[in-house]
Amino acid sequence: DAGVTQSPTHLIKTRGQQVTLRCSPKSGHDTVSWYQQALGQGPQFIFQYYEEEERQRGNFPDRFSGHQFPNYSSELNVNALLLGDSALYLCASSLVGAGNTIYFGEGSWLTVV
Amino acid sequence: KQEVTQIPAALSVPEGENLVLNCSFTDSAIYNLQWFRQDPGKGLTSLLLIQSSQREQTSGRLNASLDKSSGRSTLYIAASQPGDSATYLCAVSQISSGSARQLTFGSGTQLTVLP
Repeated sequence: DAGVTQSPTHLIKTRGQQVTLRCSPKSGHDTVSWYQQALGQGPQFIFQYYEEEERQRGNFPDRFSGHQFPNYSSELNVNALLLGDSALYLCASSLVGAGNTIYFGEGSWLTVV
Repeated sequence: KQEVTQIPAALSVPEGENLVLNCSFTDSAIYNLQWFRQDPGKGLTSLLLIQSSQREQTSGRLNASLDKSSGRSTLYIAASQPGDSATYLCAVSQISSGSARQLTFGSGTQLTVLP
Protein backbone atom coordinates (compact mmCIF):
# COMPACT_ATOMS: atom_id res chain seq x y z
CA ASP A 1 0.00 0.00 0.00
CA ALA A 2 1.73 3.15 -1.21
CA GLY A 3 1.77 6.04 1.20
CA VAL A 4 1.65 9.69 0.22
CA THR A 5 4.00 10.36 -2.68
CA GLN A 6 5.30 13.74 -3.74
CA SER A 7 7.34 14.99 -6.69
CA PRO A 8 9.81 16.41 -7.31
CA THR A 9 11.86 15.84 -4.15
CA HIS A 10 14.15 18.81 -4.74
CA LEU A 11 14.11 21.74 -7.10
CA ILE A 12 15.75 25.11 -7.56
CA LYS A 13 13.92 28.04 -9.11
CA THR A 14 14.76 31.64 -9.84
CA ARG A 15 12.91 34.52 -8.21
CA GLY A 16 9.84 35.44 -10.27
CA GLN A 17 9.41 32.00 -11.79
CA GLN A 18 6.50 29.63 -11.27
CA VAL A 19 6.58 26.13 -9.78
CA THR A 20 4.21 23.14 -9.70
CA LEU A 21 4.46 20.46 -7.03
CA ARG A 22 2.56 17.18 -7.20
CA CYS A 23 1.05 14.82 -4.67
CA SER A 24 -0.63 11.42 -4.77
CA PRO A 25 -2.55 10.62 -1.59
CA LYS A 26 -2.46 7.37 0.32
CA SER A 27 -4.64 4.71 -1.24
CA GLY A 28 -8.27 5.16 -0.16
CA HIS A 29 -7.83 8.76 0.97
CA ASP A 30 -9.94 11.50 -0.58
CA THR A 31 -8.63 14.67 1.08
CA VAL A 32 -5.34 16.40 0.38
CA SER A 33 -3.80 19.27 2.34
CA TRP A 34 -0.66 21.25 1.64
CA TYR A 35 1.72 22.68 4.23
CA GLN A 36 4.79 24.89 4.04
CA GLN A 37 7.63 24.26 6.48
CA ALA A 38 10.41 26.81 6.75
CA LEU A 39 13.71 25.73 8.28
CA GLY A 40 13.43 25.30 12.04
CA GLN A 41 9.67 25.90 12.08
CA GLY A 42 6.57 23.76 12.29
CA PRO A 43 4.51 23.27 9.12
CA GLN A 44 2.01 26.01 8.21
CA PHE A 45 -1.32 25.12 6.58
CA ILE A 46 -1.70 26.40 3.02
CA PHE A 47 -5.00 24.87 1.87
CA GLN A 48 -7.03 21.70 1.64
CA TYR A 49 -8.83 20.02 -1.26
CA TYR A 50 -11.78 17.66 -1.11
CA GLU A 51 -14.07 16.67 -3.99
CA GLU A 52 -11.88 18.75 -6.31
CA GLU A 53 -12.64 21.96 -4.45
CA GLU A 54 -10.58 24.12 -2.12
CA ARG A 55 -12.32 23.66 1.26
CA GLN A 56 -10.20 25.83 3.50
CA ARG A 57 -7.26 28.14 3.12
CA GLY A 58 -4.58 29.32 5.51
CA ASN A 59 -2.94 32.73 5.57
CA PHE A 60 -1.19 32.50 2.21
CA PRO A 61 -1.42 34.94 -0.72
CA ASP A 62 -3.19 34.20 -3.99
CA ARG A 63 0.17 33.38 -5.57
CA PHE A 64 -0.41 29.98 -4.00
CA SER A 65 -3.04 27.98 -5.83
CA GLY A 66 -3.94 24.34 -6.17
CA HIS A 67 -5.97 21.73 -7.87
CA GLN A 68 -7.35 18.29 -7.11
CA PHE A 69 -8.00 15.77 -9.84
CA PRO A 70 -10.77 13.11 -10.02
CA ASN A 71 -8.27 10.45 -8.87
CA TYR A 72 -7.70 12.58 -5.70
CA SER A 73 -4.13 13.56 -6.63
CA SER A 74 -3.28 17.22 -6.23
CA GLU A 75 -1.00 19.98 -7.44
CA LEU A 76 0.32 23.04 -5.66
CA ASN A 77 1.25 25.99 -7.85
CA VAL A 78 3.24 29.00 -6.72
CA ASN A 79 3.56 32.01 -9.02
CA ALA A 80 6.01 34.93 -8.92
CA LEU A 81 8.37 33.10 -6.58
CA LEU A 82 10.03 35.05 -3.79
CA LEU A 83 13.16 34.15 -1.87
CA GLY A 84 10.95 33.65 1.18
CA ASP A 85 9.08 30.84 -0.58
CA SER A 86 12.11 28.61 -0.07
CA ALA A 87 10.86 25.81 2.16
CA LEU A 88 9.83 22.18 2.42
CA TYR A 89 6.35 21.72 0.97
CA LEU A 90 4.46 18.85 2.53
CA CYS A 91 1.39 17.09 1.24
CA ALA A 92 -0.92 15.34 3.69
CA SER A 93 -3.78 12.99 2.97
CA SER A 94 -6.69 11.72 5.00
CA LEU A 95 -10.26 10.49 4.81
CA VAL A 96 -12.81 13.23 5.29
CA GLY A 97 -14.03 13.34 8.88
CA ALA A 98 -12.70 14.35 12.22
CA GLY A 99 -11.24 11.21 13.70
CA ASN A 100 -8.76 9.96 11.16
CA THR A 101 -4.99 10.04 11.23
CA ILE A 102 -3.37 12.37 8.74
CA TYR A 103 -0.47 10.98 6.72
CA PHE A 104 2.33 13.09 5.29
CA GLY A 105 4.58 12.62 2.29
CA GLU A 106 8.34 13.14 2.27
CA GLY A 107 7.95 16.64 0.91
CA SER A 108 9.35 18.72 -1.91
CA TRP A 109 12.32 20.94 -1.12
CA LEU A 110 12.04 24.24 -2.99
CA THR A 111 14.97 26.63 -3.13
CA VAL A 112 14.40 30.05 -4.71
CA VAL A 113 17.56 31.88 -5.77
CA LYS B 1 -6.29 31.94 16.84
CA GLN B 2 -4.82 28.64 18.02
CA GLU B 3 -1.20 28.74 19.14
CA VAL B 4 0.83 25.63 19.90
CA THR B 5 4.01 25.78 21.96
CA GLN B 6 6.55 23.04 22.52
CA ILE B 7 9.07 23.03 25.31
CA PRO B 8 11.96 22.47 25.31
CA ALA B 9 13.07 23.45 21.81
CA ALA B 10 16.01 21.07 22.06
CA LEU B 11 16.89 18.23 24.38
CA SER B 12 19.97 16.03 24.66
CA VAL B 13 19.91 12.93 26.86
CA PRO B 14 22.05 9.81 27.38
CA GLU B 15 20.77 6.52 26.02
CA GLY B 16 18.38 4.67 28.31
CA GLU B 17 16.80 7.70 29.94
CA ASN B 18 13.07 8.16 30.17
CA LEU B 19 12.01 11.57 28.91
CA VAL B 20 9.01 13.84 28.55
CA LEU B 21 8.26 16.29 25.76
CA ASN B 22 5.69 18.99 26.39
CA CYS B 23 3.09 20.60 24.15
CA SER B 24 0.60 23.32 25.08
CA PHE B 25 -2.21 24.88 23.09
CA THR B 26 -4.29 27.99 23.69
CA ASP B 27 -7.75 26.93 22.41
CA SER B 28 -9.17 23.79 23.99
CA ALA B 29 -11.85 23.38 21.27
CA ILE B 30 -9.95 20.65 19.46
CA TYR B 31 -10.96 17.47 17.64
CA ASN B 32 -7.72 15.70 18.38
CA LEU B 33 -4.01 16.06 18.94
CA GLN B 34 -1.35 14.23 16.99
CA TRP B 35 2.35 13.67 17.68
CA PHE B 36 4.70 13.38 14.72
CA ARG B 37 8.35 12.51 14.26
CA GLN B 38 10.49 14.23 11.63
CA ASP B 39 13.96 13.06 10.68
CA PRO B 40 16.32 15.65 9.14
CA GLY B 41 15.23 16.62 5.65
CA LYS B 42 12.30 14.19 5.71
CA GLY B 43 8.54 14.26 5.95
CA LEU B 44 6.42 13.66 9.04
CA THR B 45 5.66 10.25 10.51
CA SER B 46 2.57 10.00 12.69
CA LEU B 47 3.34 8.50 16.11
CA LEU B 48 0.14 8.83 18.13
CA LEU B 49 -3.31 10.33 17.65
CA ILE B 50 -5.38 11.25 20.71
CA GLN B 51 -9.04 12.10 20.21
CA SER B 52 -10.40 14.96 22.33
CA SER B 53 -12.43 12.48 24.39
CA GLN B 54 -9.36 10.38 25.24
CA ARG B 55 -6.82 10.89 27.99
CA GLU B 56 -3.90 8.93 26.57
CA GLN B 57 -2.59 6.67 23.85
CA THR B 58 0.27 4.19 23.91
CA SER B 59 2.41 2.66 21.20
CA GLY B 60 5.41 0.61 22.24
CA ARG B 61 7.78 2.81 24.24
CA LEU B 62 5.69 5.91 23.53
CA ASN B 63 2.86 7.22 25.65
CA ALA B 64 1.00 10.44 24.94
CA SER B 65 -1.41 12.11 27.33
CA LEU B 66 -3.93 14.84 26.74
CA ASP B 67 -5.46 17.28 29.23
CA LYS B 68 -7.78 19.27 27.00
CA SER B 69 -9.11 21.54 29.72
CA SER B 70 -5.65 22.80 30.60
CA GLY B 71 -4.44 22.80 27.00
CA ARG B 72 -1.57 20.39 27.54
CA SER B 73 -0.17 17.20 26.11
CA THR B 74 2.94 15.25 26.95
CA LEU B 75 4.84 12.63 24.99
CA TYR B 76 6.67 10.17 27.19
CA ILE B 77 9.49 8.14 25.67
CA ALA B 78 10.70 5.21 27.75
CA ALA B 79 14.24 3.82 27.62
CA SER B 80 15.40 6.22 24.92
CA GLN B 81 17.67 4.95 22.11
CA PRO B 82 19.95 6.78 19.65
CA GLY B 83 17.44 5.89 16.92
CA ASP B 84 14.90 8.09 18.69
CA SER B 85 16.95 11.16 17.73
CA ALA B 86 14.67 13.36 15.62
CA THR B 87 12.41 16.38 15.85
CA TYR B 88 9.09 15.72 17.54
CA LEU B 89 6.12 17.86 16.55
CA CYS B 90 2.69 18.11 18.08
CA ALA B 91 -0.30 19.35 16.13
CA VAL B 92 -3.92 20.04 17.02
CA SER B 93 -6.98 19.84 14.80
CA GLN B 94 -9.48 22.62 15.47
CA ILE B 95 -13.22 22.18 15.79
CA SER B 96 -13.54 25.61 14.14
CA SER B 97 -11.91 24.21 11.01
CA GLY B 98 -14.90 21.93 10.55
CA SER B 99 -14.44 18.91 8.33
CA ALA B 100 -11.30 20.47 6.87
CA ARG B 101 -9.31 19.43 9.96
CA GLN B 102 -6.58 21.99 9.48
CA LEU B 103 -3.61 21.16 11.71
CA THR B 104 -1.82 23.79 13.78
CA PHE B 105 1.72 22.75 14.64
CA GLY B 106 4.20 23.65 17.30
CA SER B 107 7.81 24.39 16.32
CA GLY B 108 8.98 21.03 17.59
CA THR B 109 11.46 19.62 20.08
CA GLN B 110 14.76 18.48 18.61
CA LEU B 111 15.80 15.36 20.52
CA THR B 112 19.31 13.92 20.55
CA VAL B 113 19.92 10.63 22.33
CA LEU B 114 23.61 10.08 22.97
CA PRO B 115 25.03 6.53 22.86
